[in-house]
Amino acid sequence: AQKITQTQPGMFVQEKEAVTLDCTYDTSDQSYGLFWYKQPSSGEMIFLIYQGSYDEQNATEGRYSLNFQKARKSANLVISASQLGDSAMYFCAMREGEDSSYKLIFGSGTRLLVRP
Amino acid sequence: GAVVSQHPSWVICKSGTSVKIECRSLDFQATTMFWYRQFPKQSLMLMATSNEGSKATYEQGVEKDKFLINHASLTLSTLTVTSAHPEDSSFYICSASPEETQYFGPGTRLLVL
Repeated sequence: AQKITQTQPGMFVQEKEAVTLDCTYDTSDQSYGLFWYKQPSSGEMIFLIYQGSYDEQNATEGRYSLNFQKARKSANLVISASQLGDSAMYFCAMREGEDSSYKLIFGSGTRLLVRP
Repeated sequence: GAVVSQHPSWVICKSGTSVKIECRSLDFQATTMFWYRQFPKQSLMLMATSNEGSKATYEQGVEKDKFLINHASLTLSTLTVTSAHPEDSSFYICSASPEETQYFGPGTRLLVL
């Protein structure tokens, strides 16, 4: 079974509107971390937001928020007020365990295109 | 966030040559670094975990003699693609963590002719 599932290969959103990118995960660990990264066409992986499994509040970073539903094992990324520069690939990732030396497992990604 | 650099950003080489890629943590020390490979329109695939002062841990299916990893200091890990062939052409990217978040280098595009 896949550990991280992103079911939306591609998404469109109108500029200035909000968009939700879906991510579900599968783990039996009690302690884990969930991440979202943005990859523009240049290839760099830009860290957006992090949610720890024990965090009770949903993480927020500027226009990015993570809708963490632990019982459903979902960690959707919400981008508010979309901008043209948000057009990119978005990857959800999970780290099982607390140690930062643990590896990340990535989903297949969602390509977001923001329409002017 | 923390800064991870990678050099070179582009490499074009002839088949049979070896290519070394450097990954540096610029403002923190990293006992562990990670090397990923990404094919076009695909996700990142972890190749190996680089451990400072000890042997790297390779993922299943990754040839350790083909992809040599050296983590000689707390700020530098190198990946050497030995006797590169066209099928090794890919995007290679490293990461490291100062805390719970992994930060990535800008990546290296390798083209083997």
